[in-house]
Amino acid sequence: EAQVTQNPRYLITVTGKKLTVTCSQNMNHEYMSWYRQDPGLGLRQIYYSMNVEVTDKGDVPEGYKVSRKEKRNFPLILESPSPNQTSLYFCASSSRDRMTSAKNIQYFGAGTRLSVL
Amino acid sequence: TQLLEQSPQFLSIQEGENLTVYCNSSSVFSSLQWYRQEPGEGPVLLVTVVTGGEVKKLKRLTFQFGDARKDSSLHITAAQPGDTGLYLCAGETDSWGKFQFGAGTQVVVTP
Repeated sequence: EAQVTQNPRYLITVTGKKLTVTCSQNMNHEYMSWYRQDPGLGLRQIYYSMNVEVTDKGDVPEGYKVSRKEKRNFPLILESPSPNQTSLYFCASSSRDRMTSAKNIQYFGAGTRLSVL
Repeated sequence: TQLLEQSPQFLSIQEGENLTVYCNSSSVFSSLQWYRQEPGEGPVLLVTVVTGGEVKKLKRLTFQFGDARKDSSLHITAAQPGDTGLYLCAGETDSWGKFQFGAGTQVVVTP
């Protein structure tokens, strides 16, 4: 079954304590991305990766790091979490759809709800 | 700053009625996608439109991409309770892989 798996699903932490949210996909997709979702703001892109060892900033990269050492994994790292990073986080992956020329079909994970106290 | 403006923010209708959700921007997008999100889950892609003026139909859902590729609409005919959810539009900029999402439209269809 095609899946994007995020762990953990729920996390409560304290300010300044480093954490990592993992993301793994089994569809051999080149592209992966991280978003945060906040009420009234929709999804905002944090970082994305076109392929292994290639990452780019989205609209809200401050306070986050990512790495793409292997194709299937794209962890999101918060070196020193702060309360304003309390949010619902989604990982997504995709590959090009060559049949219809649609450029990007994103599959999303189930989300990680993070609370920073 | 929200580059993609969705309207309305909330829509509550009776089963059998029609509804339209709008997604507008001053920016041009290379493609535009519509998603539906259920509580506790990630967004699920409904459709991608890539050509200005393109119209796509998915059963009772009709999607249109504006001629200038700056706006889009989603029309649902004879809505059913199963259509309830948060509808999100997302535009892909000229930088392949970089997406802008709208804030979403919460649709509630009551029996």
